[in-house]
Amino acid sequence: EPEVTQTPSHQVTQMGQEVILRCVPISNHLYFYWYRQILGQKVEFLVSFYNNEISEKSEIFDDQFSVERPDGSNFTLKIRSTKLEDSAMYFCASTDDMDSPLHFGNGTRLTVT
Amino acid sequence: AQSVTQPDIHITVSEGASLELRCNYSYGATPYLFWYVQSPGQGLQLLLKYFSGDTLVQGIKGFEAEFKRSQSSFNLRKPSVHWSDAAEYFCAVGATSGTYKYIFGTGTRLKVLA
Repeated sequence: EPEVTQTPSHQVTQMGQEVILRCVPISNHLYFYWYRQILGQKVEFLVSFYNNEISEKSEIFDDQFSVERPDGSNFTLKIRSTKLEDSAMYFCASTDDMDSPLHFGNGTRLTVT
Repeated sequence: AQSVTQPDIHITVSEGASLELRCNYSYGATPYLFWYVQSPGQGLQLLLKYFSGDTLVQGIKGFEAEFKRSQSSFNLRKPSVHWSDAAEYFCAVGATSGTYKYIFGTGTRLKVLA
């Protein structure tokens, strides 16, 4: 079964640095998402992306964050000037249409020190 | 506003016992409902989904869930729990306002006693 793949599985960075989290959605999917889960808390929506533009973003997704689909297969989340509170598990998800469930990757655990 | 409530933060059951995890939602229209499971250090795996039709849905690993519109609930059940079911379980509603996205509950951590 096709999978959403995320790299790296764990990223450690120093406060103030920029990180790029990478995702390869399932190949025929059109809708892409990033979610975040701070340790011990619920999974929160960050942003949705369709047709090469952001469809919706949450309050969390401020100017520090950006997303990009640089080619036909990758979907990236960039976090500029990371803060301690950005430490979390970041999940990428995709779907082919709105009548299908989201498929999630295994996540990237970001640790900001 | 759309929301999902999972009232039980932790549940402990003995292996072989039955299980019910509660989920209540608030949503203006007929929702899409999901249960996901997350094993330690792992991603989110879809257990089952409800879109329409039969209100009792079957999922993987022997799980089932029942949609009850009158109670705004979508409880997850399993007749006999296995030790490998120990994990965190998330209920989610698919919201179509704005864009299609999921709203997750806070999760229920299941512990299974041998």
